[in-house]
Amino acid sequence: KNQVEQSPQSLIILEGKNCTLQCNYTVSPFSNLRWYKQDTGRGPVSLTIMTFSENTKSNGRYTATLDADTKQSSLHITASQLSDSASYICVVSAANQAGTALIFGKGTTLSVSS
Amino acid sequence: DTAVSQTPKYLVTQMGNDKSIKCEQNLGHDTMYWYKQDSKKFLKIMFSYNNKELIINETVPNRFSPKSPDKAHLNLHINSLELGDSAVYFCASSQVHGTVSSPLHFGNGTRLTVT
Repeated sequence: KNQVEQSPQSLIILEGKNCTLQCNYTVSPFSNLRWYKQDTGRGPVSLTIMTFSENTKSNGRYTATLDADTKQSSLHITASQLSDSASYICVVSAANQAGTALIFGKGTTLSVSS
Repeated sequence: DTAVSQTPKYLVTQMGNDKSIKCEQNLGHDTMYWYKQDSKKFLKIMFSYNNKELIINETVPNRFSPKSPDKAHLNLHINSLELGDSAVYFCASSQVHGTVSSPLHFGNGTRLTVT
């Protein structure tokens, strides 16, 4: 069964600290994976996409990694800011006979406190 | 200009009523979606509409019906509202259907409260 599991479910850190969010998937065949950030009261916004051949990709203070062998991705946030408080959602493409489908994780809620 | 806009932002109504949520996208995308986000913030696909082809999530009650007057609009009509319908409903669009390589562009949600 195609699944995307995210951990931790929630996380509280102090401003300025680093953190890492995890995404494990059992999607096959895998094509790519995208991280979204959802601020409170807003819709999710894409942060970055990881394709099968990519290991690491940075977008400012956000660095995503992908290990296709272990089927794991991580999102590392450096020097966290209050504005990083949000839910982070991992989404993976799954191909099947009917076409492709998006498999959503349940998200990690990050709270950055001062 | 807002890429994906949905109205209303808040909707409070009583059980048994019928209501609609409107969605418009100005990105020129061919595919639009409706997602439901429950209290635990899990996003579940309800419908996708790709080049006039409607793909329905079989778990969605038939009280929910999407209506697309044109490629830029996908409205959601809900009949006989129930308490369990309370959630945040997100409209989204993408250039290509059903693949992570084509990012989803979400509206800011409609919070539906059924009393």
